[in-house]
Amino acid sequence: NAGVMQNPRHLVRRRGQEARLRCSPMKGHSHVYWYRQLPEEGLKFMVYLQKENIIDESGMPKERFSAEFPKEGPSILRIQQVVRGDSAAYFCASSPLGQGVSGNTIYFGEGSWLTVV
Amino acid sequence: DQQVKQNSPSLSVQEGRISILNCDYTNSMFDYFLWYKKYPAEGPTFLISISSIKDKNEDGRFTVFLNKSAKHLSLHIVPSQPGDSAVYFCAAGTNAGGTSYGKLTFGQGTILTVHP
Repeated sequence: NAGVMQNPRHLVRRRGQEARLRCSPMKGHSHVYWYRQLPEEGLKFMVYLQKENIIDESGMPKERFSAEFPKEGPSILRIQQVVRGDSAAYFCASSPLGQGVSGNTIYFGEGSWLTVV
Repeated sequence: DQQVKQNSPSLSVQEGRISILNCDYTNSMFDYFLWYKKYPAEGPTFLISISSIKDKNEDGRFTVFLNKSAKHLSLHIVPSQPGDSAVYFCAAGTNAGGTSYGKLTFGQGTILTVHP
């Protein structure tokens, strides 16, 4: 999917453990977005990051979830003390433009499937 | 609060015929719209987009129509091919204050099956 790399593709965690999902954007892209898809639902926006900055985290649950996009390295979505309701597909996307992307394409990775047992 | 709705969970079409996928939205602030195709266990793949200043955009077999007064858009695929079988999501975004970014609101998806 256009070079956005996510890992792991599948992750199983027990309730109470931590989950870390990683995303490397497409080459030349410096804007990263995380989306979550719960079973039988569409994708829901979680957070938008640029390098070292969180621009919009309006879709992030207030507790246990955090995201970062450091100067070096991939973007990380971290879920602490996972619960069964966190089981979902987590998609990362990137774009070459932040401001003014109207109609621009946002490229998605292949997703990370988190299962909490 | 479902701001983008795809009311048909599934659509079945014969190969060679036209597939029409529909999407309705409620937020008047949306001013650009995209269609994505998704296979199981993969990420969404961009198909086509349209800005609110247009009412039609065409790319090969894919055409998107936008009716702003009805807050409705549709994706036409003609001719349909078996390889088009997938889940199709419409998504909408807002150019707020002259800037916008990839914060998209997605519909629930429509499963398209194209029979040979």
